[in-house]
Amino acid sequence: AQSVTQLDSQVPVFEEAPVELRCNYSSSVSVYLFWYVQYPNQGLQLLLKYLSGSTLVKGINGFEAEFNKSQTSFHLRKPSVHISDTAEYFCAVSDRATNKLIFGTGTLLAVQP
Amino acid sequence: DTGVSQNPRHKITKRGQNVTFRCDPISEHNRLYWYRQTLGQGPEFLTYFQNEAQLEKSRLLSDRFSAERPKGSFSTLEIQRTEQGDSAMYLCASSSGFSGRAKDSTGELFFGEGSRLTVL
Repeated sequence: AQSVTQLDSQVPVFEEAPVELRCNYSSSVSVYLFWYVQYPNQGLQLLLKYLSGSTLVKGINGFEAEFNKSQTSFHLRKPSVHISDTAEYFCAVSDRATNKLIFGTGTLLAVQP
Repeated sequence: DTGVSQNPRHKITKRGQNVTFRCDPISEHNRLYWYRQTLGQGPEFLTYFQNEAQLEKSRLLSDRFSAERPKGSFSTLEIQRTEQGDSAMYLCASSSGFSGRAKDSTGELFFGEGSRLTVL
């Protein structure tokens, strides 16, 4: 079975500052890793994914994440945030056989002017 | 629009009534998933289909819940005798799954906008 832990329920940050949202996962098998973003009253939108290959993956809106197998982490980073990045961010792990996603509890990124 | 479509977007019902949600996946996707999301929580897996076969059901899916995908295209999620605890956003997603060629599967799920249920 897989599980995902997002330790930070909320991350306040000032506009143009860097940010890191933490994600740790647990799995006994090889997995895919994802970050999704959810804006208020909207569905989930894929930010980026790690399937294989390079451990540093780049996504939309200037976000990137690094897969660290030894630390079972997949932290999300952005060097300079904008007000428009305010949203809920979900880390997820996928079973490679079924593609079923297991989500973390989410981190609210609150960007302040 | 060729994305995942869900209807209705909002449903308000009285406790004890039955409700049904519909999901139309991306046309070439053979896998379809249902999730439930409550306020302040991440989406929780309910069930998934590969074509018309329901391959897995979560323990969250009580006997009041039933999901179908009769022709391997659209899917319905019915909740019978609704309870206030059923109030949530119900999300549908689809994916291409594996076609036998690894490069055809990205592992990505494409989500609809969700159907919000409020049980009074």
